[in-house]
Amino acid sequence: GDSVTQMEGPVTLSEEAFLTINCTYTATGYPSLFWYVQYPGEGLQLLLKATKADDKGSNKGFEATYRKETTSFHLEKGSVQVSDSAVYFCALTEEKLTFGTGTRLTIIP
Amino acid sequence: DTGVSQNPRHKITKRGQNVTFRCDPISEHNRLYWYRQTLGQGPEFLTYFQNEAQLEKSRLLSDRFSAERPKGSFSTLEIQRTEQGDSAMYLCASSLATASYNEQFFGPGTRLTVL
Repeated sequence: GDSVTQMEGPVTLSEEAFLTINCTYTATGYPSLFWYVQYPGEGLQLLLKATKADDKGSNKGFEATYRKETTSFHLEKGSVQVSDSAVYFCALTEEKLTFGTGTRLTIIP
Repeated sequence: DTGVSQNPRHKITKRGQNVTFRCDPISEHNRLYWYRQTLGQGPEFLTYFQNEAQLEKSRLLSDRFSAERPKGSFSTLEIQRTEQGDSAMYLCASSLATASYNEQFFGPGTRLTVL
């Protein structure tokens, strides 16, 4: 079945550091790929998405590129802020969403 | 606000009791999903509906769990004879599925604690 493997956390970075959170997937078809974010005390929010190979999703300074050849969808941000502290989930969907285990990111000033 | 809503937000119950949760999706969305999230894990799929039809159920959904979407709008998730292992956040999501895309919007969740 479909699965998502996500970089283990937690991750702690200083403000303005470069962020990468790795995500790889296994799927039988051609899924859409997503990054969701869960801020403290809040629900899941879609951060960015890509629906086909080589698409780049971007939002709030975050980017991820759908790489079919490496089955990856790594999340990157060039300069993180304290407000980016949250749990990040990589996910794929063909019908239902399949999530990774989540990566807790903490940014220190 | 026209997002997905869930009630109650928190539920504490004793082992063996029945509980029911409600989800109101975004009004024009034809699909509704239930997920369960335990501490430190990503959400896991439980079941989904297209309109009033329940199209898929995870093997995680034991016989004690039942979900309905009687008129293709709101949905309820009932857990009978709750167990401590049922303690989790129960998430509802809805989408307007098209042939090529299925973005799901999540509600705030119902946190269940079974004592």
